[in-house]
Amino acid sequence: SAVISQKPSRDICQRGTSLTIQCQVDSQVTMMFWYRQQPGQSLTLIATANQGSEATYESGFVIDKFPISRPNLTFSTLTVSNMSPEDSSIYLCSVILGDTQYFGPGTRLTVL
Amino acid sequence: DAKTTQPTSMDCAEGRAANLPCNHSTISGNEYVYWYRQIHSQGPQYIIHGLKNNETNEMASLIITEDRKSSTLILPHATLRDTAVYYCIVRVARSGGSNYKLTFGKGTLLTVNP
Repeated sequence: SAVISQKPSRDICQRGTSLTIQCQVDSQVTMMFWYRQQPGQSLTLIATANQGSEATYESGFVIDKFPISRPNLTFSTLTVSNMSPEDSSIYLCSVILGDTQYFGPGTRLTVL
Repeated sequence: DAKTTQPTSMDCAEGRAANLPCNHSTISGNEYVYWYRQIHSQGPQYIIHGLKNNETNEMASLIITEDRKSSTLILPHATLRDTAVYYCIVRVARSGGSNYKLTFGKGTLLTVNP
């Protein structure tokens, strides 16, 4: 299995600011995903980030709002830009190792 | 990904078996059935997956019908810590194409009662 850590675990931010979330994996993985879970909702995929290529964004998500970096096979960052209260969610990093997809503990973001 | 249908919620008594059903009538031949659970405010936890044979691990058993149109996740002796939202997802097991990613539905909220 893969062990995934995220920083920060939670944060409270002001409207209009940006937050960068870090994801660290204990194994080298090609495919990495970022999900969002809004309060009371299921998980929604934001983008797929493969090392060495541009991230692929799902419908409704754009790079200007959620820029992603993937500098190597064990690390990625997601930035939530120009935040508004609607961005208050849990953001989750996820990787595929073998046949299985694993998830990080999540970053709980509250935007005031 | 094929769509899955799960009950919104279920209750189970502590110590009893919890049987969580999932319908996936449009599953393709190369799609596996995956089960995850999410305990409140935590990241989803992988439980088990299978193609057509029944599977068992230290957490649970997965029973897939012969026509593969439905499956049941079995927690043999449910504890209070098993209270969570359980997600049934079908997906191809190997990378390639946009359908490799997991797509989450609303899942089943299992409440284990003392």
